[in-house]
Amino acid sequence: AQSVTQPDIHITVSEGASLELRCNYSYGATPYLFWYVQSPGQGLQLLLKYFSGDTLVQGIKGFEAEFKRSQSSFNLRKPSVHWSDAAEYFCAVGAYDDKIIFGKGTRLHILP
Amino acid sequence: GAVVSQHPSWVICKSGTSVKIECRSLDFQATTMFWYRQFPKQSLMLMATSNEGSKATYEQGVEKDKFLINHASLTLSTLTVTSAHPEDSSFYICSARGVGGATNEKLFFGSGTQLSVL
Repeated sequence: AQSVTQPDIHITVSEGASLELRCNYSYGATPYLFWYVQSPGQGLQLLLKYFSGDTLVQGIKGFEAEFKRSQSSFNLRKPSVHWSDAAEYFCAVGAYDDKIIFGKGTRLHILP
Repeated sequence: GAVVSQHPSWVICKSGTSVKIECRSLDFQATTMFWYRQFPKQSLMLMATSNEGSKATYEQGVEKDKFLINHASLTLSTLTVTSAHPEDSSFYICSARGVGGATNEKLFFGSGTQLSVL
């Protein structure tokens, strides 16, 4: 069965600290992987996506993610978080032309 | 970048009335649009997939007679919540997939509609 697991419901980090949000997936075919960010009451903004090629993907706002096929993971990282990064982050998986399945999300809190 | 406009951003209605939500791709043609529902502090749950000119495909457990989806053109899909009840209150988000190329490379989301049914 296709699924996306984000093991951390909430994560709190201090401003300026590094961040890693975990994402594991189960997918039968070659996965297309995404990370989205959602601010309260807003739609989704795409941070980055992986389709093929280099397994380290650079996104917007200084985020990056690494695809590790052997671990079925696609963790999101940022070397130094800013207060404006506080939001809900969703990992998602899909096929070339199939529907996208979302994880349950990780709420990121930033301490001043 | 590509823009998907969703309207209205929020709507309050009385129980028993119907509400229509529009999803428009402003600068690209979308053969496929998706409708999601999101409860507070939860993930997005896919409700249905609509392809231009054909009937929508609903996910298991979604009432097709309650959530009417129309995708009459390559730039517009609508979701109508019929005879809305308080349990239909939720955040609804659409996404649109562009034509051509690797399809899921051209997937864009609207800003969502908060529906509150009194």
